[in-house]
Amino acid sequence: DAGVTQSPTHLIKTRGQQVTLRCSPKSGHDTVSWYQQALGQGPQFIFQYYEEEERQRGNFPDRFSGHQFPNYSSELNVNALLLGDSALYLCASSRKTANYNYGYTFGSGTRLTVV
Amino acid sequence: GEDVEQSLFLSVREGDSSVINCTYTDSSSTYLYWYKQEPGAGLQLLTYIFSNMDMKQDQRLTVLLNKKDKHLSLRIADTQTGDSAIYFCAESMNDYKLSFGAGTTVTVRA
Repeated sequence: DAGVTQSPTHLIKTRGQQVTLRCSPKSGHDTVSWYQQALGQGPQFIFQYYEEEERQRGNFPDRFSGHQFPNYSSELNVNALLLGDSALYLCASSRKTANYNYGYTFGSGTRLTVV
Repeated sequence: GEDVEQSLFLSVREGDSSVINCTYTDSSSTYLYWYKQEPGAGLQLLTYIFSNMDMKQDQRLTVLLNKKDKHLSLRIADTQTGDSAIYFCAESMNDYKLSFGAGTTVTVRA
């Protein structure tokens, strides 16, 4: 049973460009969350998608946008890249039930470097 | 992660017990989690505790929760070299997001 799959694993972009990161959730999971982890820090919540809608958003600018598809997979888009966007981007999936302590399964992340 | 605080480093001898501490600020947190991150990898859920519990044990892992002081700890018994990693404490107030600490780097020495 595959866990959370993210692609690509590494990416180098130039300042001002746009990037799209992809995530396939764990089988049976219907909710996808995105996190940004800067070097030496803990992950910061970007947003969560459920039923193809953004359910909650963290403190990130509108340059960060996302999408969830009918098969529950998700994309994270970042426009007008800044050097400070360099980070590990983590996708986490979960199953939205009344008892949500099934926990969040994380992917291995996409390492984005902006030069 | 400004609402969750952890000490940054812990060095422990192989075979000893490790204790990683965490404080959180939101008393309405429902679940508290411990995640492990190895170099170049994502986050692995180690264990979690519901806020109405005081303790949870899972093999070598023991989680203690002091709700009055908003203090959470993770004890790893018989620490092994494979336990060297960064450990994150996280809290969840709802099912939308996890709020993480900055992580504790655990180094196991022979």
